[in-house]
Amino acid sequence: EPEVTQTPSHQVTQMGQEVILRCVPISNHLYFYWYRQILGQKVEFLVSFYNNEISEKSEIFDDQFSVERPDGSNFTLKIRSTKLEDSAMYFCASDSTAYEQYFGPGTRLTVT
Amino acid sequence: EDKVVQSPLSLVVHEGDTVTLNCSYEVTNFRSLLWYKQEKKAPTFLFMLTSSGIEKKSGRLSSILDKKELFSILNITATQTGDSAVYLCAAISNSGYALNFGKGTSLLVTP
Repeated sequence: EPEVTQTPSHQVTQMGQEVILRCVPISNHLYFYWYRQILGQKVEFLVSFYNNEISEKSEIFDDQFSVERPDGSNFTLKIRSTKLEDSAMYFCASDSTAYEQYFGPGTRLTVT
Repeated sequence: EDKVVQSPLSLVVHEGDTVTLNCSYEVTNFRSLLWYKQEKKAPTFLFMLTSSGIEKKSGRLSSILDKKELFSILNITATQTGDSAVYLCAAISNSGYALNFGKGTSLLVTP
């Protein structure tokens, strides 16, 4: 069964450093998303991406964040200058219809 | 402000019991409600409900939506230890793509 994959599974970085989280969505899907889950809190929406542009973003997704689909398979989330409060599990999701979103296994980001 | 509230926050049952998990929502221009199971990491899709009163079923799991009272329930019959997980519900509106998640119900099924 096709699935969303994410790399790395765990990333440790120092405050102020840039990180890029990578996702390979399910191959025939057209809609892509990033969510985050801070430990002990609910899953929060960051951004959605369709037709090579951002279709919706939350208040969390400020100028420190950017997304890109550099080729036909990868979907990336970049955090320009990480802060301690960016420590969280970051989930990528994709779907084909904008109805049923399928999630990847997540990247745990630890900012020290 | 849109919100999704799940109850109970946690639940411990014995294998074989039946459980009902609740999800209420207040979402402007509501489109659908989705249920996910989260074990170690990724939320795994269970159901999407768009129409009121139509039960969706998958094995021992079933779910139904009440759009008049703005809630959904997830039932699990004959629970097994493998059902232990956090169950998330999320609502989505017609005006966007974002899933608005509740805090989840943590279910522990003991042998």
